Amino acid sequence: KQEVTQIPAALSVPEGENLVLNCSFTDSAIYNLQWFRQDPGKGLTSLLLIQSSQREQTSGRLNASLDKSSGRSTLYIAASQPGDSATYLCAIPQGGSEKLVFGKGTKLTVNP
Amino acid sequence: NAGVTQTPKFQVLKTGQSMTLQCAQDMNHNSMYWYRQDPGMGLRLIYYSASEGTTDKGEVPNGYNVSRLNKREFSLRLESAAPSQTSVYFCASTSGRVLTGGNTIYFGEGSWLTVV
Repeated sequence: KQEVTQIPAALSVPEGENLVLNCSFTDSAIYNLQWFRQDPGKGLTSLLLIQSSQREQTSGRLNASLDKSSGRSTLYIAASQPGDSATYLCAIPQGGSEKLVFGKGTKLTVNP
Repeated sequence: NAGVTQTPKFQVLKTGQSMTLQCAQDMNHNSMYWYRQDPGMGLRLIYYSASEGTTDKGEVPNGYNVSRLNKREFSLRLESAAPSQTSVYFCASTSGRVLTGGNTIYFGEGSWLTVV
């Protein structure tokens, strides 16, 4: 059974800092991995999707990497801004099913 | 462009009452999902529908029923609400399949349900 872990649960940084969020998974036989953002009281917004054949994906100031052999993905945020404050979740399909297994998220606070 | 719309946004129920959460998407997506989100438990899949006319159980289906009314709409019904069903419920949709990926998954803004 796939398990997804995100550490730390919360992170506070000053504005302008580059930062890395971590996502670990137990089963390396994954099809894809997605990163989402959730603002308080809102739904999830898809940020990046990495297919199992890819090593990284980029969108603006965000860069997600995938290392299946070590069971890790990282989300790199460059030049963080207060507007980046949110909870970031990673998710992986449970092997052979439509069920997405979510990590519990990292709550990011970017201080002005 | 509404995306995924859920109603109601907030609801308080008494134990034993029934209610239906409605979800509609205007993106012509084939796949639709219902998740619940609880503190410390994260997001868990309740039911999903890979296409109109089909539904399948997810991780936590007990106490719920679903209907894929048409391609746009996917409803979640609580037949006899219990305090353990107090949660935030999210509907989601995508054009393809979660497993094969490659398509953005869109979430609704959530429905906050309290069962007293």
